[in-house]
Amino acid sequence: GQQVMQIPQYQHVQEGEDFTTYCNSSTTLSNIQWYKQRPGGHPVFLIQLVKSGEVKKQKRLTFQFGEAKKNSSLHITATQTTDVGTYFCAGYPNFGNEKLTFGTGTRLTIIP
Amino acid sequence: SQTIHQWPATLVQPVGSPLSLECTVEGTSNPNLYWYRQAAGRGLQLLFYSVGIGQISSEVPQNLSASRPQDRQFILSSKKLLLSDSGFYLCAWSVREWAEAFFGQGTRLTVV
Repeated sequence: GQQVMQIPQYQHVQEGEDFTTYCNSSTTLSNIQWYKQRPGGHPVFLIQLVKSGEVKKQKRLTFQFGEAKKNSSLHITATQTTDVGTYFCAGYPNFGNEKLTFGTGTRLTIIP
Repeated sequence: SQTIHQWPATLVQPVGSPLSLECTVEGTSNPNLYWYRQAAGRGLQLLFYSVGIGQISSEVPQNLSASRPQDRQFILSSKKLLLSDSGFYLCAWSVREWAEAFFGQGTRLTVV
């Protein structure tokens, strides 16, 4: 079945440093979504990318969708303590399939 | 606006006891509904999803079952809980056509 892996599993960074998490799917995705889960909370939707090679930005966050629509990345510039949490990618495998599979997640901790 | 309710927030159950977790969605019709489980510090495992009343897709063979008796109601059940059933259970909904998912607050289940 479809597998969505993320690396790294954990990342500890000094406040102000950059952070990147990578997402790789075993199958082509119709779209890629990113979620953030704060400690003790539930995942919250951040953004969705649909087109091959698409890049979107949200303030300090930059999201990319790979040309083959099988990988994606999230880059945070100049991390802040509010960025702490686990970041998940997620995607639907192909058009018409409603199964939303999440990646394994990357837990980000910030050293003040 | 749409809202999702999931209860209870926490639950401690003995091994071998039954389980019933309920999730309801308000403000939308015919949503896709999902049950995920998250082990401590781990990713989101898709357990069940449903695209309509009475329609359930099971992703992981186990002693859990799901039902959708009404359009906006999704129930996760077990006849006999195992220690390995402990975890954070999350219900989510989305509209059709590969949209983002919205999560409930989750239920922390501890089987003792």
